Amino acid sequence: QKEVEQNSGPLSVPEGAIASLNCTYSDRVSQSFFWYRQYSGKSPELIMSIYSNGDKEDGRFTAQLNKASQYVSLLIRDSQPSDSATYLCAVSNTGGFKTIFGAGTRLFVKA
Amino acid sequence: SQTIHQWPATLVQPVGSPLSLECTVEGTSNPNLYWYRQAAGRGLQLLFYSVGIGQISSEVPQNLSASRPQDRQFILSSKKLLLSDSGFYLCAWSVQLPGQFFGPGTRLTVL
Repeated sequence: QKEVEQNSGPLSVPEGAIASLNCTYSDRVSQSFFWYRQYSGKSPELIMSIYSNGDKEDGRFTAQLNKASQYVSLLIRDSQPSDSATYLCAVSNTGGFKTIFGAGTRLFVKA
Repeated sequence: SQTIHQWPATLVQPVGSPLSLECTVEGTSNPNLYWYRQAAGRGLQLLFYSVGIGQISSEVPQNLSASRPQDRQFILSSKKLLLSDSGFYLCAWSVQLPGQFFGPGTRLTVL
């Protein structure tokens, strides 16, 4: 059974701090890795994708991938109350059809 | 730009009644289409995906079915709903990487 594991949280950080969200996956042949943000009652929104080892930065977001450790993380710098949401980690095979989602980590940013 | 529509937004149905949820995508051709279900507090469960008209792959055996009568139309159906069918149903599309893009979802309650 291919799995994606995330700490359910909630993770609580003060405004302006760095939020660190982590994810591990079981399928070693996974090729594509994604982070989605889901506000309460809304559908998931793609915020980051990463395909190779290392860091990828986009604004206040940095995705980190370590395939040897089967580990993906998302860093949110200068966290804002509007970042409060559930963050879903997703892992896909080469074709991209079968994407496995983690259950998500709830993040609260306190003003 | 691409847009994905789902309807209805909310639905309350009695056990044993039929179901039809519709999803349409605008602004792209030959998308891959997906149906997911998200139970309360849970991750996304892939139900069906389609790479073209009439081509449906089922991921989870259950009392649901899917059809793709047109290139950008994806329908989720059931002949008889169960209590366990309650959840947040999400349609998504993709063409190539990165990632999948979700519609607004249908919140289904089976009583």
